[in-house]
Amino acid sequence: AQSVTQLGSHVSVSEGALVLLRCNYSSSVPPYLFWYVQYPNQGLQLLLKYTTGATLVKGINGFEAEFKKSETSFHLTKPSAHMSDAAEYFCAVIHGSGNTGKLIFGQGTTLQVKP
Amino acid sequence: SQTIHQWPATLVQPVGSPLSLECTVEGTSNPNLYWYRQAAGRGLQLLFYSVGIGQISSEVPQNLSASRPQDRQFILSSKKLLLSDSGFYLCARNSGTGIISGYTFGSGTRLTVV
Repeated sequence: AQSVTQLGSHVSVSEGALVLLRCNYSSSVPPYLFWYVQYPNQGLQLLLKYTTGATLVKGINGFEAEFKKSETSFHLTKPSAHMSDAAEYFCAVIHGSGNTGKLIFGQGTTLQVKP
Repeated sequence: SQTIHQWPATLVQPVGSPLSLECTVEGTSNPNLYWYRQAAGRGLQLLFYSVGIGQISSEVPQNLSASRPQDRQFILSSKKLLLSDSGFYLCARNSGTGIISGYTFGSGTRLTVV
């Protein structure tokens, strides 16, 4: 079964510092991986996804993630944090296939950005 | 547009009362629809999904049920709420053709059972 683990439920960075949110996956087949962001009391918004092809994926708001098969990782990064990046971030993997495939989410990481 | 409408945005209900949360979606027809619950410190838990009218799959045993009476309508219900049903409920649909397009989420309903 496919699953993801997010390392660190809370991450705190200073404004302008590098953001690194960690996600490791477990999958018996080539995975499809996603990062979503959730602002307080809102739904989730897709940041980026990896399906096939280039392993470095660029998303919205300056975020990017790199698929590393050897490390079973899909860490999310941003070179310089903004105050507006403070939110909860979820890594997800597709479990199953075809019309019954489902997104399985990690536990989430809350990003705090300090001025 | 794959817009999702959820209401109400917030709800406070007493223990033992019934529940009905409604989700309607726009966009392509015959979407896959999903109900997730987000409880404090527990991430996102998939509760139900539906691949068509009247077709409901339950992911976890619980006090809730779901129905899909129309192609673009997905309802989450309970006959008698428990304190443990409190949480943030999110409706989602597939964003495009196939699961690899990911999901589009509604804005959620914050349910507090008192």
